[in-house]
Amino acid sequence: EVQLLESGGGLAQPGGSLRLSCVASGFSFSTNAMSWVRQAPGKGLEWVSGADYPTDDKYYTDSVKGRFTVSRDNSRNTLYLQMNNLSVDDTALYYCVKVHHGPTWAFGSWGQGTLVIVST
Amino acid sequence: QSVLTQPPSVSGAPGQRVTMSCSGSSSNIGSVFDVHWYQQLPGKAPTLLIYGNTMRPSGVPDRFSGSKSGTSASLAITGLQAEDEGDYYCQSYDYIVNAWVFGGGTKLTVV
Repeated sequence: EVQLLESGGGLAQPGGSLRLSCVASGFSFSTNAMSWVRQAPGKGLEWVSGADYPTDDKYYTDSVKGRFTVSRDNSRNTLYLQMNNLSVDDTALYYCVKVHHGPTWAFGSWGQGTLVIVST
Repeated sequence: QSVLTQPPSVSGAPGQRVTMSCSGSSSNIGSVFDVHWYQQLPGKAPTLLIYGNTMRPSGVPDRFSGSKSGTSASLAITGLQAEDEGDYYCQSYDYIVNAWVFGGGTKLTVV
């Protein structure tokens, strides 16, 4: 059974930083593309970032480019999202997602999310 | 403003059939990219409901079906049940914004 356990969320001030972690189990993490998707309170889903396989290419939505960095540690089955220069617009529940292989990425398995609140 | 447009809400009675649309453009659905659908029940994380326009992951009942035509896609639910109430999102890729994109979501109410 695929399990994705996110952590690292919390309260940060505008301009601050947080690092999210996602520990994966139940599948071959090292040979799978992974992604982060967020959901602001009461709003819809927004794709944030992805780490591809086998190229290890990294992708970002425009609003986080230059501020967020996705990385992975295959020895620890862990996906990370380093978030710098946070803004109030980054307030959301951040989901770690296992990509479902195919021509167009589908987000096959989701964690329960970790909440990031950016506020003074 | 979402790249993919979904109606904010649909409703139906138990046992009925409902459909919900996802409208895109030539840079996403109208191109080579597949459409996927997600179900988000109240207070829960989303789950993949339909992938590759028409395919159901194992465990998803055949009451749920997807289709794609031109720059639009649709999700149909037959034999509507109370536990189907929730939000439904379509998703694809857009080569102009260079991002995986979601619709704004449709809230399904079983009346």
